[in-house]
Amino acid sequence: ETGVTQSPTHLIKTRGQQVTLRCSSQSGHNTVSWYQQALGQGPQFIFQYYREEENGRGNFPPRFSGLQFPNYSSELNVNALELDDSALYLCASSPDGGYAGYTFGSGTRLTVV
Amino acid sequence: DQQVKQNSPSLSVQEGRISILNCDYTNSMFDYFLWYKKYPAEGPTFLISISSIKDKNEDGRFTVFLNKSAKHLSLHIVPSQPGDSAVYFCAARGNFGNEKLTFGTGTRLTIIP
Repeated sequence: ETGVTQSPTHLIKTRGQQVTLRCSSQSGHNTVSWYQQALGQGPQFIFQYYREEENGRGNFPPRFSGLQFPNYSSELNVNALELDDSALYLCASSPDGGYAGYTFGSGTRLTVV
Repeated sequence: DQQVKQNSPSLSVQEGRISILNCDYTNSMFDYFLWYKKYPAEGPTFLISISSIKDKNEDGRFTVFLNKSAKHLSLHIVPSQPGDSAVYFCAARGNFGNEKLTFGTGTRLTIIP
């Protein structure tokens, strides 16, 4: 399996709700990172997982959480959604912690109304 | 605090001419720099990178230059082709244990036929 697949591609949620975004990485990619890209901005680092353990986190509140599974899939969960959470969420994976470069998925466009 | 800056939101270049995209950074702990290209509705695609111990890296039509004393890097595309029209992001990464990518805000490059 090649590439990084994210689902769903688009999602509309109401303020206060919870959302789960999914990512399927390439086989052998032990590192997965999640980024938030607001309109007109560059991607902002949310957190990174290596072999199912979180090993880095950006300036995002605890209501942003994640999981990585042994089958190279991962999830981003956001609780108590706020209007400012509306953004493109990108998943990126790497076989070696990022030194060989990251492969990005096409993202999930989340709109909070 | 924007640690990676791309001060030109947009750039238009005639087909066949050279495109030069610029990026500045403030964190001297960054040890690896990358350029990503992004088309609409797709995730960022890795283009070229450079280690902080080098001042130039070349790959086909793409060359990245790094000036550590000025904390400045640039991406040169020559000759520019219509398919190069996209948003280009500069990104920087720390050393082992801090592999998260810090992105600039992007430069939209338009190649005029």
